[in-house]
Amino acid sequence: AQKITQTQPGMFVQEKEAVTLDCTYDTSDQSYGLFWYKQPSSGEMIFLIYQGSYDEQNATEGRYSLNFQKARKSANLVISASQLGDSAMYFCAMSGGIYNTDKLIFGTGTRLQVFP
Amino acid sequence: DVKVTQSSRYLVKRTGEKVFLECVQDMDHENMFWYRQDPGLGLRLIYFSYDVKMKEKGDIPEGYSVSREKKERFSLILESASTNQTSMYLCASRKSSGLVYNEQFFGPGTRLTVL
Repeated sequence: AQKITQTQPGMFVQEKEAVTLDCTYDTSDQSYGLFWYKQPSSGEMIFLIYQGSYDEQNATEGRYSLNFQKARKSANLVISASQLGDSAMYFCAMSGGIYNTDKLIFGTGTRLQVFP
Repeated sequence: DVKVTQSSRYLVKRTGEKVFLECVQDMDHENMFWYRQDPGLGLRLIYFSYDVKMKEKGDIPEGYSVSREKKERFSLILESASTNQTSMYLCASRKSSGLVYNEQFFGPGTRLTVL
């Protein structure tokens, strides 16, 4: 069965610094997708970035990049030049595999706090 | 832009009441989902609907039922609310594609308190 593990319940980072949020996954599928979502205090989940298991390059979206290490089964989110507005919960998720592409499996989340 | 709306942001109900949580999406998506979110547990799938009148149990369906009579609307029903159903409920939708890339679009969530 697929599983996502986020071992950091909380992280602190100073404004303008970079921060890495950890995510490891477990799957026996060869084809899968990895996602990161941001959840501000308002509650809505905001999609940040996606990495496919066959993508050779690490995904990037503005200040967000995904450090994908397939052999280690890790998909860490890197936020560069942190801003106060980055303070939020961050969830790593994985699509359910080639026979179960409709569903996402979520980790328990990391709460990031950015301080001035 | 995809828009997913939920009928209430905050809801307070009493134990034993029947509770309806409504979710509407405006992008003609086939798939719709209900999750509950609890601290330290992340998001857990309650029910999933892959098309009108089609539903599938998720990881924690006990105590819940769902209804999807129209493509754009997916309702979560708590037949007899209990205090352990106090939680944040999130609705999501996505277009069915059969691909591993399957971004889900989320509503703003409903914080339900059962007294």
